[in-house]
Amino acid sequence: QQPVQSPQAVILREGEDAVINCSSSKALYSVHWYRQKHGEAPVFLMILLKGGEQKGHEKISASFNEKKQQSSLYLTASQLSYSGTYFCGTEPPRDGPIYGGATNKLIFGTGTLLAVQP
Amino acid sequence: DGGITQSPKYLFRKEGQNVTLSCEQNLNHDAMYWYRQDPGQGLRLIYYSQIVNDFQKGDIAEGYSVSREKKESFPLTVTSAQKNPTAFYLCASSIVPQGAEAFFGQGTRLTVV
Repeated sequence: QQPVQSPQAVILREGEDAVINCSSSKALYSVHWYRQKHGEAPVFLMILLKGGEQKGHEKISASFNEKKQQSSLYLTASQLSYSGTYFCGTEPPRDGPIYGGATNKLIFGTGTLLAVQP
Repeated sequence: DGGITQSPKYLFRKEGQNVTLSCEQNLNHDAMYWYRQDPGQGLRLIYYSQIVNDFQKGDIAEGYSVSREKKESFPLTVTSAQKNPTAFYLCASSIVPQGAEAFFGQGTRLTVV
């Protein structure tokens, strides 16, 4: 089941901040964030792992609440280049003898369209 | 340069024909994925594979088939059983076993007429 993203779309002026939320109905091992510009491939921004480890972009931050199965992406002082569609990707933990480890089954949300205007 | 290549970029097929989309990676990644992208529906997982000769169904596998005979290749066949095959298809790869960045190809836009 796809994670739910909110808002569906947001319009900003350059320099303004934005928060994009991602919520899953299932337990999570990791949350990924990607940005896709029209007609292009999605590009990696950030990954947050269960247990608090975070890997990703210098100018963009994110949080991961494991108990609530939610993640938020924070875009501060937005630039024109931030425009695009943002996707969160969720990875459930593995079942079975090594429960809690990664599965590599990466499920993406429906996306949030961000438009930054001059 | 390492990367993931999808071909062709645009593909047209007549209704009722099977069509195979190519995905090749030279990143030495074990995991590979196929996603379908439709307006307003995000990226939906069709199939994924964590290792050669093994793959699992995603959320929308009906009407699609895959093979993973080589580590670098993960072709997707859209069969005539897929009721609405016109879409943008994206292939991706990543390392295993822990959660890791996925690298995407440039996509194939399939139009069935």
